[in-house]
Amino acid sequence: QVQLQESGPGLVKPSQTLSLICSVSGGSISSGGYYWSWIRQHPGKGLEWIGYIYYSGSTYYNPSLRSRVIISVDTSKNQFSLRLTSVTAADTAVYYCARTYNKYCDYWGQGTLVTVSS
Amino acid sequence: DIQMTQSPSSLSASVGDRVTLTCRARQSIGSYLNWYQQKPGKAPKLLIYAASDLQSGVPSRFSGSGSGTDFTLTISSLQPEDFATYYCQQSYSTPITFGPGTKVDIK
Repeated sequence: QVQLQESGPGLVKPSQTLSLICSVSGGSISSGGYYWSWIRQHPGKGLEWIGYIYYSGSTYYNPSLRSRVIISVDTSKNQFSLRLTSVTAADTAVYYCARTYNKYCDYWGQGTLVTVSS
Repeated sequence: DIQMTQSPSSLSASVGDRVTLTCRARQSIGSYLNWYQQKPGKAPKLLIYAASDLQSGVPSRFSGSGSGTDFTLTISSLQPEDFATYYCQQSYSTPITFGPGTKVDIK
C-alpha cells in the first residue's frame, strides 16, 4: 500500500519561499510508471493542481504558477519536494502530494496546512 | 486550460436515495474524466477513473458515465458515509483541472 506524507513549515512569511517535502513509502518513486503531483486547496475552496514530476526529473507545472514553482525529486530518499517562491496570503492553503497515473491521482497524502503571514 | 463545471453546487438527500451528480467540460475530453470524494479535513479519495472505471475498494453503489463533455456520477443508494463533497477532474490534458465540487449533505 503506497503512502505519502507531506512535511514542512506550517507558517511562512510573505515574500519568502514555501518548501515542502513528500515522503513516499510502500513503493519506489524510481520504479517509474507514475508521476508525482502537488495539489493545493485554499480554505473552503476547490482543488488546484500545481504540477508534477517523473522520477527522471521531468516536470510539468500549472502555467498559473509556473514562474514561482520548482518541483524536484530525490530518488535516494524516495521523496519529492515543492518550492514556491515569493509567497503571499493567497498561497495560504492545504498542500497535498499525490501519486499520479494517467493524470489522475490514486494515492494522496493527508495534506498540510501552510499559512502565509507575518 | 480546460474548465470544468459541476451541478448542482450542493444538494440535500436522505439515506437510501439515488443521487446523480453532473460534471461538464468546456471542450470534449473523451473519457478522460475522474471523480473524487472528499470529507472534511481529509484528502480527496479517487472513486472513478476514465469516466466509468471503479477504483479498487470503492463500493459498487458508485458508478460513472458519460463521454465528450457531459458526465455523471451516480450513487445508487446513499449511505451515511457518502455525505461529502465530490469533485470531477479532467485528465485529457495538462494542466489538470478540477470542477468546483458538489456538496452532498443530509436532508
